[in-house]
Amino acid sequence: DVVMTQSPLSLPVTLGQPASISCRSSQSLVHSDGNTYLNWFQQRPGQSPRRLIYKVSNRDSGVPDRFSGSGSGTDFTLKISRVEAEDVGVYYCMQHTHWPWTFGQGTKVEIK
Amino acid sequence: EVQLVQSGAEVKKPGESLKISCKGSGYSFTTYWIGWVRQMPGKGLEWMAIIYPGNSDTRYSPSFQGQVTISADKSISTAYLQWSSLKASDTAMYYCVRHPDKWGQGTLVTVSS
Repeated sequence: DVVMTQSPLSLPVTLGQPASISCRSSQSLVHSDGNTYLNWFQQRPGQSPRRLIYKVSNRDSGVPDRFSGSGSGTDFTLKISRVEAEDVGVYYCMQHTHWPWTFGQGTKVEIK
Repeated sequence: EVQLVQSGAEVKKPGESLKISCKGSGYSFTTYWIGWVRQMPGKGLEWMAIIYPGNSDTRYSPSFQGQVTISADKSISTAYLQWSSLKASDTAMYYCVRHPDKWGQGTLVTVSS
């Protein structure tokens, strides 16, 4: 299985400050079709996960533009430009280039 | 509007069987992969299995192969996940997911003697 390693696992952030989460995969996520299938999900407390970013850097409809994704190959990053109270939750990267699809361990974002 | 509505919470004893469901609406059920993700209490997310309802093509994560069965009835736009003999370690929230973007509300399964 492709192992997805996130860091940090816990991220205390001051409101209005930026936050960054790293996700590294154990092998390249470039698919034979040329796409890189790396998503980011947000899971707020008590809720189902919600996709924020797909194919590395594409924001889903309704996702605030303070969220951005970047990266290539095996190294990816989710950035929040200015953290708001509603951003509290756990963030997961997920690859669906190789089956079984796999998630990172999750990064818990909390307000300092 | 795309919706995935899962069946309600279950409380079972070890050794019992169980089948949970997920009904899709607002999209063409046969043209998207649909699968199940496990989240054990306080833990992360794990893909278990996926199915393509259009032709019933199925894949299992090696960790779950032989432990569960995924199926789908395209006539009623519903996917299922079933166990023949539950264990206490199957206690978890199970999410139905329309790949790649929509999640159901989750079904909490509790297995306890």
